[in-house]
Formats: sequence, C-alpha cells, structure tokens
Amino acid sequence: AQSVTQLGSHVSVSEGALVLLRCNYSSSVPPYLFWYVQYPNQGLQLLLKYTSAATLVKGINGFEAEFKKSETSFHLTKPSAHMSDAAEYFCAVSGAGGSNYKLTFGKGTLLTVNP
Amino acid sequence: DAGVTQSPTHLIKTRGQQVTLRCSPKSGHDTVSWYQQALGQGPQFIFQYYEEEERQRGNFPDRFSGHQFPNYSSELNVNALLLGDSALYLCASSLAMIGGFSGANVLTFGAGSRLTVL
Repeated sequence: AQSVTQLGSHVSVSEGALVLLRCNYSSSVPPYLFWYVQYPNQGLQLLLKYTSAATLVKGINGFEAEFKKSETSFHLTKPSAHMSDAAEYFCAVSGAGGSNYKLTFGKGTLLTVNP
Repeated sequence: DAGVTQSPTHLIKTRGQQVTLRCSPKSGHDTVSWYQQALGQGPQFIFQYYEEEERQRGNFPDRFSGHQFPNYSSELNVNALLLGDSALYLCASSLAMIGGFSGANVLTFGAGSRLTVL
C-alpha cells in the first residue's frame, strides 16, 4: 500500500521568498515520486519526478525536490517565488510495477504568492 | 500536438441519473486512466484501460464503469448518481512500456469534466 501526506494545506509566501512544500510518503516497494501543479480550471501538469536516479531532481519553472529515503520525504523547493507560481501542488507516489503503478496523490497544498 | 481532451467540461445531473464522460488521449498514447478529484482533495484513481480492457481498478463501486475504443479514446460511465459523485473527473493518458506497465510512466492529464449532482 502507498500513501502520501502533504504537510500544510495552504502555504503563503512573499514574491522572491523561498518556496518549501512538504511531502512524506509511505510505500512498501521502492517508490517513484512526482510533483504535479494544478492551475485554476486546468488539469495537472508534471513539475518533476524521481525514479531512483539522482536524489536531487530538477524540474520545470525552477522547482526542484530531494528524495530522502531515511526521512521518507520528497519536499519541493524553489529559491525565489514568482506570482505565476500561485497554484495547487500535489505530491504523488507510485510503485515499480505489478499492482502498484497507479498514482496515489496527497491532498494538495495551495500556494499563495503575495506581492 | 493535441494533449488530452475531455468532454463535456461541465455538466449538471440529478440523483439517480446516469452520466457518460469522454476522453481522447494525447497523440501516440495508448493507455487511459481516470481519476476523481473531489473538492479540496487530491485525485483518486478510478481505473485504467489498455488494449480495450480494464487493467487495474481503484476502490470505486461497480456503478463506475468504463470503456476503451480501438482508437484509444475512452469513456467513463457512472450509474445511479449520488450527491457524493460531484467532483472533477480527470482523464490521463500514457504510453505503456514494453514488458508491462511501470510506475515511472508520466501521465498527461486533461483539464477534466466537472460533474455536479443535485
């Protein structure tokens, strides 16, 4: 069984400030981990994914995430927030195969960027 | 290159009715998954179709059924609608890997069909 916990349903930062969105996962098999972003009235867009290569993963729009097995975490960061980053962010986990390849999502974190 | 397209974008039904949602996958993709996203929640996996067969199913009742056509497009059907079925229904497509499915597959999501049940 797999699960994802996103700490903080709402995060508010100032423009130019560090963005940190937290994600912890539980998986009985080596996980694949993803961050997706959802803008209002749009579908989910992939930001980045971890598939057991480098533990520090760089994604689009300046985002990156670090896989820490010992902490079962995959937190998303961006050094400097931009107004256009305001959206809902979802962390998701899947397994290597078998019956585990479906995505299991967290409840999401709404990011607000203040001018 | 067209992404995943879904129709209709919005619809309103009453309890007990039936609804059909449609999805055309991204060009080149052969696998379609459906997710339900209730208000304030993350998407939840309903089922996945590949080669016109349901390959995996989440924890949803039999009222939820689907179909995949030879051109890879898909439909989601929900019977006997309940108020709790009100949600955004997301279709996602991907390309199956040789040798089977992989959790590393990247899904391309559509914008969704928002269903309101009154």
